[in-house]
Amino acid sequence: AQSVTQLGSHVSVSEGALVLLRCNYSSSVPPYLFWYVQYPNQGLQLLLKYTTGATLVKGINGFEAEFKKSETSFHLTKPSAHMSDAAEYFCAVIFGGGNKLTFGTGTQLKVEL
Amino acid sequence: DTGVSQDPRHKITKRGQNVTFRCDPISEHNRLYWYRQTLGQGPEFLTYFQNEAQLEKSRLLSDRFSAERPKGSFSTLEIQRTEQGDSAMYLCASSLGQTLNTEAFFGQGTRLTVV
Repeated sequence: AQSVTQLGSHVSVSEGALVLLRCNYSSSVPPYLFWYVQYPNQGLQLLLKYTTGATLVKGINGFEAEFKKSETSFHLTKPSAHMSDAAEYFCAVIFGGGNKLTFGTGTQLKVEL
Repeated sequence: DTGVSQDPRHKITKRGQNVTFRCDPISEHNRLYWYRQTLGQGPEFLTYFQNEAQLEKSRLLSDRFSAERPKGSFSTLEIQRTEQGDSAMYLCASSLGQTLNTEAFFGQGTRLTVV
């Protein structure tokens, strides 16, 4: 079955530390991959996406993600966390032939001083 | 503001009542999506329109749920005979284009509480 898994429902980092949020998908066909961020009481905002081409994609606010086909992963990273990065992050996938985003369960990122 | 607009932002209703939510997509976006998000979960797909045609419905969308997009512009989502399990955030998104990798823009959602 096609699925999206985000490891770690809560991640806590210190300000200035590396942020790593994990996302794996289950599919035999490489899908389209997305990361969204959601601030409290807000809608979802697109951070970045992978469709074709370069497997390392850069997004807004200093985030980037790398598509690794062999690992079926699309982990989100940021070299140095900022307090304003505290939010919930969702990995989402459009599986081959589909018309919709399938979301993971989300990772709540906490940034501490 | 030219983003996706949803109305109302919050709705409290008694069990058994009907509710209707409205979504105004970004102007000229031909695709419109409805999602439902419960606490601690990611958004779950409900239904999808391309222009006025409803092209896909999730099995989550029971016969108590109906969505319309009559003129290919705004959309409404109606829930009849609400149940406590319907309590959730209902999100609308829109996108432009014929390919599936175009960005979907989300509204701020309508939070439904069924008491």
